[in-house]
Amino acid sequence: DTEVTQTPKHLVMGMTNKKSLKCEQHMGHRAMYWYKQKAKKPPELMFVYSYEKLSINESVPSRFSPECPNSSLLNLHLHALQPEDSALYLCASSQDLLDRGGYEQYFGPGTRLTVT
Amino acid sequence: GQNIDQPTEMTATEGAIVQINCTYQTSGFNGLFWYQQHAGEAPTFLSYNVLDGLEEKGRFSSFLSRSKGYSYLLLKELQMKDSASYLCAVSHRDDKIIFGKGTRLHILP
Repeated sequence: DTEVTQTPKHLVMGMTNKKSLKCEQHMGHRAMYWYKQKAKKPPELMFVYSYEKLSINESVPSRFSPECPNSSLLNLHLHALQPEDSALYLCASSQDLLDRGGYEQYFGPGTRLTVT
Repeated sequence: GQNIDQPTEMTATEGAIVQINCTYQTSGFNGLFWYQQHAGEAPTFLSYNVLDGLEEKGRFSSFLSRSKGYSYLLLKELQMKDSASYLCAVSHRDDKIIFGKGTRLHILP
């Protein structure tokens, strides 16, 4: 199983809503990532988890709150988002962090988020 | 600062060879990725170069020159399904990954 799954595929939410994005992998990977990708732009790294601990937070606003309940799951909790947060949110995983040889990242299909 | 440059668009013919260049200026460089991304889909890993030189993987090869801050992705025997965006991304010693803006490759029959 070399798949990263993400749910939901599409999400429309108002600026006062609270929602969560979910990501799951069963490859035994110990590093997991959240990226944000706007249309026709490259992915931008948001968060990195290593062994279920937050390793990197790329100065992401607090309205995005990541959570790693266990080594297979990664959530992104959303609250009070703005219309400019509309984007494709990609989850990825790798065997380990880059400096430990985990360079091959497997991406999930993404959640397309629209904030109205 | 950090800067990653690659051409915005390229066009090539089915069966031909195309080279997509990427130049970078960054501190704390660790390695360089190439990803393929079809429209509406997630990126797919192609290669990761840490050392200077050419790495070949089937129809795709990737080259890195650390001293020149330069990499290229070489695609041979182009197929229509190779029409996609190709993303160059730099990894840093602190595990951060910065993507270039991508090169949209169009393959003509």
